[in-house]
Amino acid sequence: AIWMTQSPSLLSASTGDRVTISCRMSQGISSYLAWYQQKPGKAPELLIYAASTLQSGVPSRFSGSGSGTDFTLTISCLQSEDFATYYCQQYYSFPYTFGQGTKLEIK
Amino acid sequence: QVTLRESGPALVKPTQTLTLTCTFSGFSLSTSGMCVSWVRQPPGKALEWLALIDWDDDKYYSTSLKTRLTISKDTSKNQVVLTMTNMDPVDTATYYCARARIGGQQLVKGFDYWGQGTLVTVSS
Repeated sequence: AIWMTQSPSLLSASTGDRVTISCRMSQGISSYLAWYQQKPGKAPELLIYAASTLQSGVPSRFSGSGSGTDFTLTISCLQSEDFATYYCQQYYSFPYTFGQGTKLEIK
Repeated sequence: QVTLRESGPALVKPTQTLTLTCTFSGFSLSTSGMCVSWVRQPPGKALEWLALIDWDDDKYYSTSLKTRLTISKDTSKNQVVLTMTNMDPVDTATYYCARARIGGQQLVKGFDYWGQGTLVTVSS
């Protein structure tokens, strides 16, 4: 199985800030990585796929980068609705795996 | 419009078998490339991928739960069923079903539509 290390687990920031979340794989996965946003009591929502492609309807302040083993989710100019938990997921090979999550909270 | 909805018991006893149904609309599992997956999330914890079934009836399972899981589909009813045997309190979680599409050997974009989830509590 491919193991993932997502960091940080908790991120405190203010509205207007730029933040980055990292996801590192135990082996290369090309660009088969997705990022999800989850708000309390809700299902996850797809933000980015193929490491850097924005899902339809997702604001352009979200961006993804990386390939192989190291990936990053960047949110520029945080808005109030962005405070949530974020997960990365590899879909390069079975069993699919998710990162441990990053809770983005208001500072 | 793609929608998915999970249904099943809210409470199961230890050692019992859990059966969950995902009823979906807006796509067909008989269409080449379509698949449905199950993901769970214990309270306050991370997402955990469980299983996936594709249009060709190929099935894939979590390595750690493989011996306890069975995924199946009923294309005529637009349903996917997940059974998990020998339930334990650590299996208490919200269970989600989600849609994906396969292009070539991998998913096209991850899980693009999710159900609202159903909370299953394992307790005697």
